[in-house]
Amino acid sequence: RKEVEQDPGPFNVPEGATVAFNCTYSNSASQSFFWYRQDCRKEPKLLMSVYSSGNEDGRFTAQLNRASQYISLLIRDSKLSDSATYLCVVNGGSGGSNYKLTFGKGTLLTVNP
Amino acid sequence: GAVVSQHPSWVICKSGTSVKIECRSLDFQATTMFWYRQFPKQSLMLMATSNEGSKATYEQGVEKDKFLINHASLTLSTLTVTSAHPEDSSFYICSARQAGGQETQYFGPGTRLLVL
Repeated sequence: RKEVEQDPGPFNVPEGATVAFNCTYSNSASQSFFWYRQDCRKEPKLLMSVYSSGNEDGRFTAQLNRASQYISLLIRDSKLSDSATYLCVVNGGSGGSNYKLTFGKGTLLTVNP
Repeated sequence: GAVVSQHPSWVICKSGTSVKIECRSLDFQATTMFWYRQFPKQSLMLMATSNEGSKATYEQGVEKDKFLINHASLTLSTLTVTSAHPEDSSFYICSARQAGGQETQYFGPGTRLLVL
């Protein structure tokens, strides 16, 4: 089983749509969880951390279910500028290091006018 | 704040040559820097963890003699790809963790390497 697994995508949605990304992770000892976005040929940029109680940042809502080792990201009222690859990221690799990030393969989102 | 730079941003070289990539934290001290590699349509894969003043820790399957890492100061880590081959062509990205225990990693803009 891959350490971090995401929806393979790609997702093509119209502007204004709501889109959900799903992610599962295999290391139950993982402590921190993040969503990053990566634009084409650019470095990943932190979108938001994910907390156990769930958290929201404007149009973005992240959820974490530790019991099922599942993370989600919901984007409401999607904009053209949301087009990017969304990466699910978990800290604590197979070696248990507190600072090693493990990245999912990413899900490409294209928002169409 | 928390800016990380990489140099060069892209490089094209002949097979067999060595390429050095620099990663700098511009406005903070980084006790730990990480080197990642990303092939097209793949996820970022951690290659090694670089700690200032000590030897880097390499991930399984990454040859330490081929990918030389030097973290000589709190603001600079270098990755040298020795005797590069076409299969080393990739997007190399570094990140830096701020000294003081903060977990957040700040990513550099990446270096695109093409080996002919």
